[in-house]
Amino acid sequence: ETGVTQSPTHLIKTRGQQVTLRCSSQSGHNTVSWYQQALGQGPQFIFQYYREEENGRGNFPPRFSGLQFPNYSSELNVNALELDDSALYLCASREGTGGANTEAFFGQGTRLTVV
Amino acid sequence: GDSVTQMEGPVTLSEEAFLTINCTYTATGYPSLFWYVQYPGEGLQLLLKATKADDKGSNKGFEATYRKETTSFHLEKGSVQVSDSAVYFCALRSTNTGNQFYFGTGTSLTVIP
Repeated sequence: ETGVTQSPTHLIKTRGQQVTLRCSSQSGHNTVSWYQQALGQGPQFIFQYYREEENGRGNFPPRFSGLQFPNYSSELNVNALELDDSALYLCASREGTGGANTEAFFGQGTRLTVV
Repeated sequence: GDSVTQMEGPVTLSEEAFLTINCTYTATGYPSLFWYVQYPGEGLQLLLKATKADDKGSNKGFEATYRKETTSFHLEKGSVQVSDSAVYFCALRSTNTGNQFYFGTGTSLTVIP
């Protein structure tokens, strides 16, 4: 148990639809990052939020957007879903003021299937 | 940019065999290095980490040494068990790149009795 929970665990959407995935961070963690893990691949960084502000973004189009709330829970929104968006989406939380060795805790992921 | 290259799988070993999974990295600055494990249907769990050159991370019989001269962080275990069957990911993080993780593509390990 990492204390990071994601919902839902599985989701099926149709191409063109919009989806919202949720992440509840571990208590006291003010930084959350989202990753996309396609089948058979390593996770790819989507974006990161620190104290409700986006402070880093990977190579993903603007239809991937996010929010972080005052309680540090967060959402990942994807508009105009494409078949290639089918993947496991992982969130990771950590304390934001630490350096690169600050431990990050991953949730169990949301498996999104776009048909 | 920063990246991780990981040994391709899948790897199949008999119980009690020796395991090595190779990992090399490219990074600006001085990254921290990690190994994560993913069991079927689950998220990522931190297996071990090393934060500077020559550090050795270890956990549950697994070890990896941060080698700056060869830019490597190979994962080893002297005697694998069936319960070690999982996918293993090498990763790095650096303050130069906003502390985001860069992951390798993963290596699937199956241990047979």
